[in-house]
Amino acid sequence: NAGVTQTPKFRILKIGQSMTLQCTQDMNHNYMYWYRQDPGMGLKLIYYSVGAGITDKGEVPNGYNVSRSTTEDFPLRLELAAPSQTSVYFCASSYRPEGSEAFFGQGTRLTVV
Amino acid sequence: AQRVTQPEKLLSVFKGAPVELKCNYSYSGSPELFWYVQYSRQRLQLLLRHISRESIKGFTADLNKGETSFHLKKPFAQEEDSAMYYCALSTNTDKLIFGTGTRLQVFP
Repeated sequence: NAGVTQTPKFRILKIGQSMTLQCTQDMNHNYMYWYRQDPGMGLKLIYYSVGAGITDKGEVPNGYNVSRSTTEDFPLRLELAAPSQTSVYFCASSYRPEGSEAFFGQGTRLTVV
Repeated sequence: AQRVTQPEKLLSVFKGAPVELKCNYSYSGSPELFWYVQYSRQRLQLLLRHISRESIKGFTADLNKGETSFHLKKPFAQEEDSAMYYCALSTNTDKLIFGTGTRLQVFP
């Protein structure tokens, strides 16, 4: 059971570099989410998607972009990395938000120096 | 505004003591609330949801719409309950919003 898979697990970026955090799920879930987790701040929603071709901003979208070309994949793009984007990033998916369980990836620890 | 508030960053208790992790929410619609748990070196996972009215690992949570609260309770804490606990709110705009989390430490 793969569930939600995130790659990479760890990454160090220099300021101004770009990268894509990959997220894929094999549960045929329509809903997918990206969160960042900062100490003492909990999980903040960056972007979410309710299905292929549909994305929307969460609480902290600035500096990020997403796409959802397939049901399975929901990559998160950082175009110009900044130290403020140092965080742990989690991808999640669910069948639907109401009453159903969200399944999380193992996280990506990103450091921007 | 949609918001989930967990006022305690850290809660420390001894084994066998009762535990209550507080969660308050702000939402004008009909809320769907969850508790998620993250054990050390493990993924975030669902602990329980309010619509199920279930007890998982001895934990229960009751939705109080008057007080806009969804506190998590357990009568007798165990050492293996030590973890990070997040309260979450699902909205009618398809967002899943989390609180800041409470770290529960259960001492032997």
